[in-house]
Amino acid sequence: ETGVTQTPRHLVMGMTNKKSLKCEQHLGHNAMYWYKQSAKKPLELMFVYNFKEQTENNSVPSRFSPECPNSSHLFLHLHTLQPEDSALYLCASSQESGSPTYEQYFGPGTRLTVT
Amino acid sequence: AQKITQTQPGMFVQEKEAVTLDCTYDTSDPSYGLFWYKQPSSGEMIFLIYQGSYDQQNATEGRYSLNFQKARKSANLVISASQLGDSAMYFCAMRGIDQGGSEKLVFGKGTKLTVNP
Repeated sequence: ETGVTQTPRHLVMGMTNKKSLKCEQHLGHNAMYWYKQSAKKPLELMFVYNFKEQTENNSVPSRFSPECPNSSHLFLHLHTLQPEDSALYLCASSQESGSPTYEQYFGPGTRLTVT
Repeated sequence: AQKITQTQPGMFVQEKEAVTLDCTYDTSDPSYGLFWYKQPSSGEMIFLIYQGSYDQQNATEGRYSLNFQKARKSANLVISASQLGDSAMYFCAMRGIDQGGSEKLVFGKGTKLTVNP
């Protein structure tokens, strides 16, 4: 496989569930990102990892917990979510963060619905 | 603070014609990058084109070109010879490094382009 993959593509979970989103990139990049895309709102950057180290956390609630075990894999652990957390969650990677020149490559996203 | 403004929520264009999607930005960072992405109904964000703040020439990638006017802080996307497959949401984005060394990434709200046969 090439590019950035995300699993699952669709997820429905109750507010008391615990689930995880997975992202994998096959591009040899060193930076990975989580974004949230809600209806009628701009894409929101959630977390940034550069060489497996978290470098950004944009005031994301603690019910979202990222994990980056290596430069190719990124997880988003979810627990006790709220209905307003329903959105498309996009993963992206780039050669590295900290430079404005590197483009990001996105995965297909996970459509999350919290009931 | 960084900001991206896309003033066109929706645009229509006839197949084979050219279309311009507007993007203006605001930043105090000395160095930044501007990007355009396409998001079809499938949800995947597809990178289209990049323009660096110090680049002298406008970026081009096939049928895509970026009309970069630094003084006006605009980075409009021009799609030539529109195709039906160009129908999608288009997002303008900016990436910069603030004075504290933190990376900032900001996306606009997007423009929905519909190409009519």
